[in-house]
Amino acid sequence: DAKTTQPPSMDCAEGRAANLPCNHSTISGNEYVYWYRQIHSQGPQYIIHGLKNNETNEMASLIITEDRKSSTLILPHATLRDTAVYYCIAADQTGANNLFFGTGTRLTVIP
Amino acid sequence: DADVTQTPRNRITKTGKRIMLECSQTKGHDRMYWYRQDPGLGLRLIYYSFDVKDINKGEISDGYSVSRQAQAKFSLSLESAIPNQTALYFCATSDPGQGDWPQHFGDGTRLSIL
Repeated sequence: DAKTTQPPSMDCAEGRAANLPCNHSTISGNEYVYWYRQIHSQGPQYIIHGLKNNETNEMASLIITEDRKSSTLILPHATLRDTAVYYCIAADQTGANNLFFGTGTRLTVIP
Repeated sequence: DADVTQTPRNRITKTGKRIMLECSQTKGHDRMYWYRQDPGLGLRLIYYSFDVKDINKGEISDGYSVSRQAQAKFSLSLESAIPNQTALYFCATSDPGQGDWPQHFGDGTRLSIL
């Protein structure tokens, strides 16, 4: 599975959009980009995933560059409850058994 | 995820003791996983199982064993606990066959070995 690189921490003002970047320059053609988040020490929560098209669900939007070497998770209106560690993971669907979580980005939403 | 239940939630024990952590799920998923998380670090895969007869080692299986007693149950054992196994342990499930690719996690077991 491709390794990903994320900034260790980011701040975002409450009510503003939070844009979390992820680099995955060695991603292979069959690997998806998955995003999870972990609030304090709770179990990681699945957010969204995509292959090459942009994706949106009730939680977030995922923008993947055309060359698939990077992506951005967008939380459109961040709230204090979005403060968490966000993990970007590249994995193929058959290898979804082996998600490499790394250390993620600690997002702090500021009132 | 309330559909994935881990017991106990917290456990303190002594070096050399045998420990079993339990995971049960009501999602009907085929795949189950055990991870550990150390402070400030990401999750690391210990073992995973694709169905009742299938057990696979993950990145850090030494010192651990697992049992998949039924589709809904996957337990993790530490045969002789040591202090560096102090960590937060997570169980997860998925079922690509049902189109449910992402893994769904329990709330974790905090294990302290003295």
